[in-house]
Amino acid sequence: KQEVTQIPAALSVPEGENLVLNCSFTDSAIYNLQWFRQDPGKGLTSLLLIQSSQREQTSGRLNASLDKSSGRSTLYIAASQPGDSATYLCAVDRSGYSTLTFGKGTMLLVSP
Amino acid sequence: DGGITQSPKYLFRKEGQNVTLSCEQNLNHDAMYWYRQDPGQGLRLIYYSQIVNDFQKGDIAEGYSVSREKKESFPLTVTSAQKNPTAFYLCASSIGGTTEAFFGQGTRLTVV
Repeated sequence: KQEVTQIPAALSVPEGENLVLNCSFTDSAIYNLQWFRQDPGKGLTSLLLIQSSQREQTSGRLNASLDKSSGRSTLYIAASQPGDSATYLCAVDRSGYSTLTFGKGTMLLVSP
Repeated sequence: DGGITQSPKYLFRKEGQNVTLSCEQNLNHDAMYWYRQDPGQGLRLIYYSQIVNDFQKGDIAEGYSVSREKKESFPLTVTSAQKNPTAFYLCASSIGGTTEAFFGQGTRLTVV
């Protein structure tokens, strides 16, 4: 059974810091990996999608990497801002039909 | 303005009653999904549909039912058989296959 773990569970940093969020999964047979952002009481916003054949994806200040063989992904956020404060979720597609298995998330607080 | 609309935002149900959550998308996506989110847990898949008039059970389908009569609509019924229905419910859609998933803003269901 696929399990997804996110470390740390919570992170507090001052504005301007570069930071790394970690995601690990137990079964390397994934089709893709997706990073999401969730604000309190809201739905999920898709940040980046990495297909299983890719090593990384970039969008603005965000960079996500994928190492399938070791079962790991990282989300790098450059020059963090207070507006980045949210919960970040990692999810893997275990079926090829975008049926996602989620981690519990990392709650990020960026202080001015 | 394309997107996924979930309604209502908040829903209260008495024990023993069935209740239906609405999910509509105008993205012309073939696939739609329902997830449940509980505090301290990752999102869990309830049901998904890859095409009209077809759907499959996810990891926690017991006590739930769905229909997919139209491409743009995928309503979820929480039945009285669901023992612990209080949760945040999220609907998602994708083009199909292993592609990016997009989420609605969620419905918070509370049993009173």
